[in-house]
Amino acid sequence: QKEVEQNSGPLSVPEGAIASLNCTYSDRGSQSFFWYRQYSGKSPELIMFIYSNGDKEDGRFTAQLNKASQYVSLLIRDSQPSDSATYLCAVNVNSGGYQKVTFGIGTKLQVIP
Amino acid sequence: ETGVTQTPRHLVMGMTNKKSLKCEQHLGHNAMYWYKQSAKKPLELMFVYNFKEQTENNSVPSRFSPECPNSSHLFLHLHTLQPEDSALYLCASGPGLAKNTGELFFGEGSRLTVL
Repeated sequence: QKEVEQNSGPLSVPEGAIASLNCTYSDRGSQSFFWYRQYSGKSPELIMFIYSNGDKEDGRFTAQLNKASQYVSLLIRDSQPSDSATYLCAVNVNSGGYQKVTFGIGTKLQVIP
Repeated sequence: ETGVTQTPRHLVMGMTNKKSLKCEQHLGHNAMYWYKQSAKKPLELMFVYNFKEQTENNSVPSRFSPECPNSSHLFLHLHTLQPEDSALYLCASGPGLAKNTGELFFGEGSRLTVL
């Protein structure tokens, strides 16, 4: 069983629409949850993190966490062509004194002008 | 200027060569990581160093040899690699348990091609 599962996409949405990206994880001991954005040819950059059940909003981005369902999502409102990238879901477990961060395969998002 | 710098950005090597990847972080972090990114696969954690001590070796073949002389520098020594080792190698740093968040800051990566 994959530790962090994502649909690889591509997910295509029109400009201005809401993009919904989903992720499930297998380790119930996971403590914190992250969304990284990776543009083609670039390295991942952190855009959102969430620790508690519920929603967390930052500008056009909303992260949602449901620990009972082991489910994390990222909503991008008013999607822009510049949002076109691969979005990596990651989960963290404290392990032996360091942060063990496990990534999903990433969902490729295409925002169509 | 990025807080995590990797060199070289691109490397082509034969299977009998020996080369090294270098990573330097300027963020004052305690933990440094090597990840491998291959097409159609999730990022694979290879090695973790926490306060210069190796705390994770994720079943990586011995042809990859990490070195962490201090908390700011991390190397990945490569020898007798195979063509399937061709990938993007990403270095990352993080605050570790000092901040207890798991946030990672990545370098731009070293694109390795093994002929």
